[in-house]
Amino acid sequence: DTEVTQTPKHLVMGMTNKKSLKCEQHMGHRAMYWYKQKAKKPPELMFVYSYEKLSINESVPSRFSPECPNSSLLNLHLHALQPEDSALYLCASSQARPLKPIYFGEGSWLTVV
Amino acid sequence: AQKITQTQPGMFVQEKEAVTLDCTYDTSDQSYGLFWYKQPSSGEMIFLIYQGSYDEQNATEGRYSLNFQKARKSANLVISASQLGDSAMYFCAMRPNAGGGADGLTFGKGTHLIIQP
Repeated sequence: DTEVTQTPKHLVMGMTNKKSLKCEQHMGHRAMYWYKQKAKKPPELMFVYSYEKLSINESVPSRFSPECPNSSLLNLHLHALQPEDSALYLCASSQARPLKPIYFGEGSWLTVV
Repeated sequence: AQKITQTQPGMFVQEKEAVTLDCTYDTSDQSYGLFWYKQPSSGEMIFLIYQGSYDEQNATEGRYSLNFQKARKSANLVISASQLGDSAMYFCAMRPNAGGGADGLTFGKGTHLIIQP
C-alpha cells in the first residue's frame, strides 16, 4: 500500500466550479510534487515544494494553484478548468536530497465537463 | 537537459519467462539516478528499483534487477519469472543529482507489458 494518500480518487467538475485535490504523506519527506498524466502518456511535472516552499513551477496555467500548508500536506486548487485539463493527477513525495526515490500516491482522476 | 528513450511501446510475454525492458538515456550530468516504475491500469505509480550512476554493482530488488551499462547509457529492467500480475505500464525515469534534492523525474514514454498465461 502506498504511503502517499490522495483524495478524492475520482472528481467530475464543471468549467465554472472550484475544487481541490488533497495529498498527505507521513514518511517525513520534505519534498512534495504534483504531476499531470494524460492517457497513454508519461507523467509531466507541474509543481515541486521543498521544505514547504514552492521551488519549481513548470509554467502551469494559473487555473491550477498549489498550496503546501505543512510538511505533510499538499493541495491543488482547481478553478475555471477546461475539458483538456481532464487527466490523472499524481501527488508524490521524497526526501529533499538528491537521488532518492520519489513515491507516488494512487492518483486523482479528474474529468472536466 | 535529460532524455529517456524506451523503444518498446508494447510487449507480450509468456508467464514464467524472463522479461527485459529497454531504457537508454542521455544527460550531461556526471551524477544522476535511474529509476523504474510500474503503473497498473488503476493508475498508481509504483517504485520498483533505483540505480545510482556511481554504483558499481547492478541493483536488485526481489524479481527485479537493473542491467546498468554506463558507457552505453542504458538501464534495462529485467523481471525474472514473470507473473500475470506483472502486466502493466513500465516507465524508466531519471533524476539529476542537483543541489537541494527537490528536482522531479524525467520519464520515458513507457512500455506496456502484457503477460500471457
